[in-house]
This record gives sequence, C-alpha cells and structure tokens, in this order.
Amino acid sequence: KAGVTQTPRYLIKTRGQQVTLSCSPISGHRSVSWYQQTPGQGLQFLFEYFSETQRNKGNFPGRFSGRQFSNSRSEMNVSTLELGDSALYLCASSSLGGEAEAFFGQGTRLTVV
Amino acid sequence: DQQVKQNSPSLSVQEGRISILNCDYTNSMFDYFLWYKKYPAEGPTFLISISSIKDKNEDGRFTVFLNKSAKHLSLHIVPSQPGDSAVYFCAGLISGGYQKVTFGTGTKLQVIP
Repeated sequence: KAGVTQTPRYLIKTRGQQVTLSCSPISGHRSVSWYQQTPGQGLQFLFEYFSETQRNKGNFPGRFSGRQFSNSRSEMNVSTLELGDSALYLCASSSLGGEAEAFFGQGTRLTVV
Repeated sequence: DQQVKQNSPSLSVQEGRISILNCDYTNSMFDYFLWYKKYPAEGPTFLISISSIKDKNEDGRFTVFLNKSAKHLSLHIVPSQPGDSAVYFCAGLISGGYQKVTFGTGTKLQVIP
C-alpha cells in the first residue's frame, strides 16, 4: 500500500510569490491534514479536509488556504509569501477509524528568500 | 497557548538503558494521546497511542503511561538503541468525527552507543 506522497519535496520561492503544495493520501483515506513545522514552533496544525470539505482550521492567516478533490488528493496554497513562511510542510492522512492514527508524508521543504 | 508541552528539548541516554520522555497537556478534551518519532528530513512516524480511559499501553520496547489527574504522560523505551535517536513528538487528539492533532514541540533523544 503506497504511503502519503507530497510534491514537490523542495521548493525555493521569493517573497511575494505564491506556492501550491500537493498531497496524495493513502488509498482509502478520506481525511487530509496539513501541518507546518518550524524549529521554534514545532508542528502546528493548518487545516483538515474530509470529503472535499474543510472541517478544521488552525490559527494561520488567510494567505494559507487549501482544498481537497474528489479523489481525496489535497492542495495547499500560500499567497504573498513571507520569509517566515519558510518551513517544512507536512501532510497527514487518516481513515478516521479507531484510535485515528495519522500517517505523514515526507513533507515539502519551502524556503522563501 | 501551548496545549501540549514537552519541557525537555533534548535527552541523552546510554544504549541499553531506559529512555523516559515526558509530556504535559492542558486540554481536558483530548481523548487520545499519540507519540511520533521523526528523523531529519522525514515526516513523523506513528509510534504508539493511548486512550484517555487507559493508564498504560505497551508495544514491544515502547510503553506509554498516562496520568490523567496530573495531565501528564510519558513514553518509556527499554532498552534504548542507537536507532532510537530521533525527535519524539507527543500529541493530543480530539476525536468524534474530525481529526485534529495538537503536537508538542518535541524532544530530541540521543542514544549513545
């Protein structure tokens, strides 16, 4: 069974640009969550999608947005990039069953210069 | 407001000895707690979880203890191995139809051969 796939793995953008990150969950998983990891803040929850609907949102500005497609693949978009957006962005998928363990992808390393 | 706290940013343990990683939380709504292990440049890997109605869960060398009255949990690794060297994240989960996981800032474990 293929794991969670995130593309691209690495990305360099300049301030003011926008970026789109992609996440393909484990087959059959309908929940996709996005997290930002920075050295100082650890892992912070961005948002969660289930069946194309955003069900939960963390405390991030509106520049951070996402969507989920009918095949459960998800994209995350960050507009008007700032230097502080440099981070590892992780996607996790879950089937929502039982103890609801989430499986993570390898992440996309975004560097804003 | 850091709902999940890992107050020790790092820990060094001799190979073969016990590693104890601690975690405190403030949100009484968490009904599951999870531990993740993360190597550099990889996404977190699920290790072990515990339901809030239990006080202990064991899986091989890993045991998680939960003290609800103290809002404290700990992960014990016995015996510790060099391959256990990684960053360990504690997380709280509120289930019941959606998937939101709140992570601590992590503890870097170094197992010395």
